Amino acid sequence: GQQVMQIPQYQHVQEGEDFTTYCNSSTTLSNIQWYKQRPGGHPVFLIQLVKSGEVKKQKRLTFQFGEAKKNSSLHITATQTTDVGTYFCAASSTSGGSYIPTFGRGTSLIVHP
Amino acid sequence: SAVISQKPSRDICQRGTSLTIQCQVDSQVTMMFWYRQQPGQSLTLIATANQGSEATYESGFVIDKFPISRPNLTFSTLTVSNMSPEDSSIYLCSAGETYEQYFGPGTRLTVT
Repeated sequence: GQQVMQIPQYQHVQEGEDFTTYCNSSTTLSNIQWYKQRPGGHPVFLIQLVKSGEVKKQKRLTFQFGEAKKNSSLHITATQTTDVGTYFCAASSTSGGSYIPTFGRGTSLIVHP
Repeated sequence: SAVISQKPSRDICQRGTSLTIQCQVDSQVTMMFWYRQQPGQSLTLIATANQGSEATYESGFVIDKFPISRPNLTFSTLTVSNMSPEDSSIYLCSAGETYEQYFGPGTRLTVT
């Protein structure tokens, strides 16, 4: 399947600081999805990016797809304790006409009040 | 979106036994997947559950160990066979119509 590298693995921030996680691939991605997993919970779909250079916003979250479609980022402005969790990117590849999802290793966000 | 339920939510099993995990979706979906996740780790895809045909397994996972059924577009099961302590993990099913996936709450399996 498609390989995606996600950095950093962990990020500690003070409440109110910004946070960014990056997802990189050596090959062109057809699309990318972002998920959030709260501690003890399951991954929850946040957004999908498809177009080159696409930028989407959800309140304090900004998602970006690179012009070459080889990287993506998730930026959180003014973090809150409710943002705590692990953020995963996921990319897809196809094999024999079937869709195969591959998840990055995730970035765990720890917000200190 | 889709709402996914899984059962059991957790179980403690003895080595050598088998456990079947059920995944129910509240609507018909094209794609269903089974993942394994160790605490603090990423999701590892076990297989794609294909409706009406054999599941497609990822490298490192075989049908004899993880038989999967998908009798219709809303339901799938994953069996973890002949369990060993190394099979202790969280097992998640997901479903979706397109690339976005919706996950069940997971099954926490402990093998003693």
